[in-house]
Amino acid sequence: GAGVSQTPSNKVTEKGKYVELRCDPISGHTALYWYRQSLGQGPEFLIYFQGTGAADDSGLPNDRFFAVRPEGSVSTLKIQRTERGDSAVYLCASSLMKRGDPSGANVLTFGAGSRLTVL
Amino acid sequence: AQTVTQSQPEMSVQEAETVTLSCTYDTSESDYYLFWYKQPPSRQMILVIRQEAYKQQNATENRFSVNFQKAAKSFSLKISDSQLGDAAMYFCAYRTLISNFGNEKLTFGTGTRLTIIP
Repeated sequence: GAGVSQTPSNKVTEKGKYVELRCDPISGHTALYWYRQSLGQGPEFLIYFQGTGAADDSGLPNDRFFAVRPEGSVSTLKIQRTERGDSAVYLCASSLMKRGDPSGANVLTFGAGSRLTVL
Repeated sequence: AQTVTQSQPEMSVQEAETVTLSCTYDTSESDYYLFWYKQPPSRQMILVIRQEAYKQQNATENRFSVNFQKAAKSFSLKISDSQLGDAAMYFCAYRTLISNFGNEKLTFGTGTRLTIIP
């Protein structure tokens, strides 16, 4: 697509429920990132995919959070047993950075995010 | 670990005037990238300007320019001829130069909310 698409735009759920957030990156972008932006804060890195594999998941806060990218394009962030502290905007970004090509600073293109509210 | 600090939670400027947003960072690396991103109410982060630390010349993009002081670890954004469309949250961000497997993860500051006064 022309940009990074994220769905749903807004999600309200109850504490303890399971949630899935979807990210559809720019076609051909091999790198995909998830960030979490809590109220009044800057985005915080969660996980990075290069192709289908999670190359860096060091930002995932705990084992309730999991993300997949099975075909190297669309990614889903999954949150189990949601807690009120999970309420935030979840941002996805993609870039054309290729594995083994560390030169340059490719521009990350961000989506509009999914706002998650846990009641 | 790198940290990015934005000490101005809010700033305001008269339309057509100039405003400077501050950013400081902490790192032990000698080479890295710095960015300014704009986040309007639509939530989408938009790249405003970027600076390679190994370049001494300050980056400029039309009405946007930076004052990069490497020794002081300071990276301020100057917006000239402010326009109503510049109203947004502005985030300063850091990225290491040498990335593992192309990982370009960014470390963001807490942001500055810029209001443009007509």
